[in-house]
Amino acid sequence: AQKITQTQPGMFVQEKEAVTLDCTYDTSDQSYGLFWYKQPSSGEMIFLIYQGSYDEQNATEGRYSLNFQKARKSTNLVISASQLGDSAMYFCAMREGSYNQGGKLIFGQGTELSVKP
Amino acid sequence: DTGVSQDPRHKITKRGQNVTFRCDPISEHNRLYWYRQTLGQGPEFLTYFQNEAQLEKSRLLSDRFSAERPKGSFSTLEIQRTEQGDSAMYLCASMPDRALEEQYFGPGTRLTVT
Repeated sequence: AQKITQTQPGMFVQEKEAVTLDCTYDTSDQSYGLFWYKQPSSGEMIFLIYQGSYDEQNATEGRYSLNFQKARKSTNLVISASQLGDSAMYFCAMREGSYNQGGKLIFGQGTELSVKP
Repeated sequence: DTGVSQDPRHKITKRGQNVTFRCDPISEHNRLYWYRQTLGQGPEFLTYFQNEAQLEKSRLLSDRFSAERPKGSFSTLEIQRTEQGDSAMYLCASMPDRALEEQYFGPGTRLTVT
């Protein structure tokens, strides 16, 4: 069964430093998508970055980048130059199969990131 | 686009009562998803619509739960005979019917069953 594992319940980082949030996944599908979402204390889920299983390049989006290691089934999120507003829960998620197979997301348990001034 | 909206944002109800939540997706988004998130956990998939057709339901969706999406626009999620275990955040998400698009989430409805 598909599964997402985030092993860091909480992380601290100093403002302006970089931080890596870990995520491993398990799937037998050849085609899948990997997502990272941010959830501030207000509750809304904010999309950050996406990596497709066939993408050869690591995805980047502003201060967010992914360290995608397909053989290890990991997709770690790197946030560079942390800001106080980055303090939130971060969820890794996987879309099973291709989009035309439904597209539901399976989420990990999340990592709570706290940025210290 | 005005984003995905959900109503109400908060609902407190007594055990045994029925509740109904509404989700308005981004216009022209064919796909609509419902998820449930309990405290300290990631969201869990409940059900999925493509236009007005409900194409998948999770085993989490007991027979007390029903969801509809008439005319392929807004969706409602009803919980009958609520139980304390139903207390959670109920999230709605929508996406266009294209490959590789992320799901856009609404602000959620927080349900508390007393």
